[in-house]
Amino acid sequence: GDSVTQMEGPVTLSEEAFLTINCTYTATGYPSLFWYVQYPGEGLQLLLKATKADDKGSNKGFEATYRKETTSFHLEKGSVQVSDSAVYFCALSGQTGFQKLVFGTGTRLLVSP
Amino acid sequence: GAVVSQHPSRVICKSGTSVKIECRSLDFQATTMFWYRQFPKQSLMLMATSNEGSKATYEQGVEKDKFLINHASLTLSTLTVTSAHPEDSSFYICSASTGQVNGYTFGSGTRLTVV
Repeated sequence: GDSVTQMEGPVTLSEEAFLTINCTYTATGYPSLFWYVQYPGEGLQLLLKATKADDKGSNKGFEATYRKETTSFHLEKGSVQVSDSAVYFCALSGQTGFQKLVFGTGTRLLVSP
Repeated sequence: GAVVSQHPSRVICKSGTSVKIECRSLDFQATTMFWYRQFPKQSLMLMATSNEGSKATYEQGVEKDKFLINHASLTLSTLTVTSAHPEDSSFYICSASTGQVNGYTFGSGTRLTVV
């Protein structure tokens, strides 16, 4: 079945450092790919998404490119802030709006001043 | 944008009692809602998919009689944890689908503690 693999955390960075969180997937067909962020004690917020190969999703300085050839959707940010500390989930879904999301295990990011 | 309200945000109950968690789509009709459970420092585990007016579809290993899901209207789905025990303590999150491709909106979650 479909699956998502994320790098294990925690990822610890200093403020203004460059961030990469790796995500690879296994899926049939052409899934849509997502990054969600979860702040402590809260639900999930959609950070960015891409629906087809070579699409780049971006939001709040974060970017991820849908790479079909490497089945990857790595999350990047050029300069992290303390407020970016959270857990980040990579996920995929089928092509209709009613298909369930398949999540990776999540990667905790800790940014220190 | 699409908003999903989940209530309560926190609940503490005694072992053996039942707890109901509500998930409402505030500004759209949610034909399908999903219920997830999240263990500490772990990913989200899909428990069931709830479709308005029909029985929920449970994932393998999820007890249907313990986790009762009702989706009586296009804006409300409920999860009832029956005869709760300490091992049911967890963070429960709902998600509603707008029916558009990739249209998922998450509630803010419910922290359940069974004592």
